Amino acid sequence: GAVVSQHPSWVICKSGTSVKIECRSLDFQATTMFWYRQFPKQSLMLMATSNEGSKATYEQGVEKDKFLINHASLTLSTLTVTSAHPEDSSFYICSARPRGLAADTQYFGPGTRLTVL
Amino acid sequence: QKEVEQDPGPLSVPEGAIVSLNCTYSNSAFQYFMWYRQYSRKGPELLMYTYSSGNKEDGRFTAQVDKSSKYISLFIRDSQPSDSATYLCAMSAPAGDSSASKIIFGSGTRLSIRP
Repeated sequence: GAVVSQHPSWVICKSGTSVKIECRSLDFQATTMFWYRQFPKQSLMLMATSNEGSKATYEQGVEKDKFLINHASLTLSTLTVTSAHPEDSSFYICSARPRGLAADTQYFGPGTRLTVL
Repeated sequence: QKEVEQDPGPLSVPEGAIVSLNCTYSNSAFQYFMWYRQYSRKGPELLMYTYSSGNKEDGRFTAQVDKSSKYISLFIRDSQPSDSATYLCAMSAPAGDSSASKIIFGSGTRLSIRP
């Protein structure tokens, strides 16, 4: 149980285009989903926290107009990287917190590798 | 100063050795401590979750928390080549009513177990 999927697993796009990444909790309802970014040989950096049906809360330094997050249901959150640039190339990982469990219980997706040419 | 400090390694040990991975932290509000394992190009997988000081054992893995020293450890006994991965420590503080608690990750230690 507690499986989180991400789609796509990898994507290559041209500079200036937008890319949407989906995060799904497959066998549980997630009241909160988190989006992280991880550069090579570095740790996970939290980008934003999203609660179902409300606006996402972005971490300091993360542009909300560039990284659009939609948490439309209890099993799906999407991250759209708008007008992507090469410096946005990174490994994007989502996590989901099941409804009713401790706040620190997060299940991670397998990640999406974004390469912007 | 980072909130969580972790030696990035790499750490290479022979198969069967005992591995010790460590993190220090500065925020005394942290109460929940976790260790994640991350294989290359994969998402993190939760290995151990502890609350409060002391030891917690799960198979070949033992997590240790010393709040007085703000120091946590993960020990791996009888290490196997399949244990080769990056190990991330993580911790969090209790959240207020209006926000979800955030997990703060260490930078990760790359571990390699030589056959």
